[in-house]
Amino acid sequence: GDSVTQMEGPVTLSEEAFLTINCTYTATGYPSLFWYVQYPGEGLQLLLKATKADDKGSNKGFEATYRKETTSFHLEKGSVQVSDSAVYFCALILTGGGNKLTFGTGTQLKVEL
Amino acid sequence: KAGVTQTPRYLIKTRGQQVTLSCSPISGHRSVSWYQQTPGQGLQFLFEYFSETQRNKGNFPGRFSGRQFSNSRSEMNVSTLELGDSALYLCASSLYDGRTDTQYFGPGTRLTVL
Repeated sequence: GDSVTQMEGPVTLSEEAFLTINCTYTATGYPSLFWYVQYPGEGLQLLLKATKADDKGSNKGFEATYRKETTSFHLEKGSVQVSDSAVYFCALILTGGGNKLTFGTGTQLKVEL
Repeated sequence: KAGVTQTPRYLIKTRGQQVTLSCSPISGHRSVSWYQQTPGQGLQFLFEYFSETQRNKGNFPGRFSGRQFSNSRSEMNVSTLELGDSALYLCASSLYDGRTDTQYFGPGTRLTVL
């Protein structure tokens, strides 16, 4: 079946450090890919998305590129802030497969001063 | 535009009871999906409704059910509650005009079963 694999957390970084959170996927069809972020006590917020190979999604300094050849969608940010501390989820939806998101397990990010 | 709203935000029930959760989608969105989030199982898809019809269903027992109204508002019901049903229940809405579309989530309902 379809699945998303994320790197284990927690990831602890100092402020202004570079962030990479790895995400790979397995899909029977052709997926769209998403990153969502969840702050404590809240629901999920869409961070960015990409709908086809080589697309780059970006938002608030975060970026991810849809790599079909490596089935990956790694999240990056050049300089993290304390306010970026949250749990990040990678997810996919199959094109034409209905409106069902398949999520990774989430990666907790902690940014310290 | 107002976001997805869910009520109530917090709920405490005892085993064997039933519960109904409500979700109001973003105005104009016709698809509503429900997810369960637990520390052990992560985020799991429950079901999706579009134009008052259940279009997709996840791997949950029949105790979990839902419906959608003509104004796209949705409810989910869990009967005969078990301790393992304690979770954050998230609702998401999207336009879903026939193509893959982005889902926008509400703040969730935190259900505790005692």
